[in-house]
Amino acid sequence: KNQVEQSPQSLIILEGKNCTLQCNYTVSPFSNLRWYKQDTGRGPVSLTIMTFSENTKSNGRYTATLDADTKQSSLHITASQLSDSASYICVVSDRGSTLGRLYFGRGTQLTVWP
Amino acid sequence: EADIYQTPRYLVIGTGKKITLECSQTMGHDKMYWYQQDPGMELHLIHYSYGVNSTEKGDLSSESTVSRIRTEHFPLTLESARPSHTSQYLCASSQPNPGTGYTSYEQYFGPGTRLTVT
Repeated sequence: KNQVEQSPQSLIILEGKNCTLQCNYTVSPFSNLRWYKQDTGRGPVSLTIMTFSENTKSNGRYTATLDADTKQSSLHITASQLSDSASYICVVSDRGSTLGRLYFGRGTQLTVWP
Repeated sequence: EADIYQTPRYLVIGTGKKITLECSQTMGHDKMYWYQQDPGMELHLIHYSYGVNSTEKGDLSSESTVSRIRTEHFPLTLESARPSHTSQYLCASSQPNPGTGYTSYEQYFGPGTRLTVT
C-alpha cells in the first residue's frame, strides 16, 4: 500500500532556531517527492520538488534531502521565523500514470514562538 | 503565487441545501483536482479532470459532483448538504514541470473553501 508517514506530528521551536522534519514513504514506483507549506486556512504552497536522481534541494532557508534507497526525506528549516508557523506536508508522486497521482502525508504542525 | 481562486472562502449552510463551490484558474492548465481535507488529516482526492468534458472520481468516495465545461472553471456541487460534508475543500490545477519531465506535474492549490453544514 502506498503510504507517506511524517514525524513529528507537531513541533514547537523558538524563533531563530533550526529544525528538521521527517518523511518516510512506501510509494512505488517513485516519481518525485515534494514538500508543501500550508498556512492555517490556506491551500498548500510548494517549497521543493525532487526526483529520484536528486538528493538535496534548497529554497531559501528550506533545504530538503532525499534518500531514495531508504525511502526517506527530510526538510531542514534554518533560522526559523514566526512566519514559518504552518503545517509542512510531504507529498510523493508515483510514476504509474499521467495523472501524476499524489500521496499526501498528514503534515507536521510547526509552531515558532518568539 | 498561483492564479487559482475559490469562492466562497467560508460557507455555513443548513442540512438539505444545494451548494456549489466555485474554482477557477487563469493559467490555462488542463488538469484540475478537488481535494477534501479534515483538520490534522491528509488531503484526499475526490474528483479530477484531464480537460474540458472530462471528469473522474478520485480515491475518496464523495456524494459531490463536478463539471468541466470550460478549461478555467471546475465547480463542485452538493445536491443535498449533510453535516458529514463539513470539511475543507481544496481545488488545484497542474501542468508538467519542465525541469523534471511530463510525469512530474506541479500542482497549484487554491485557498480552499471551509464548509460547515449545520
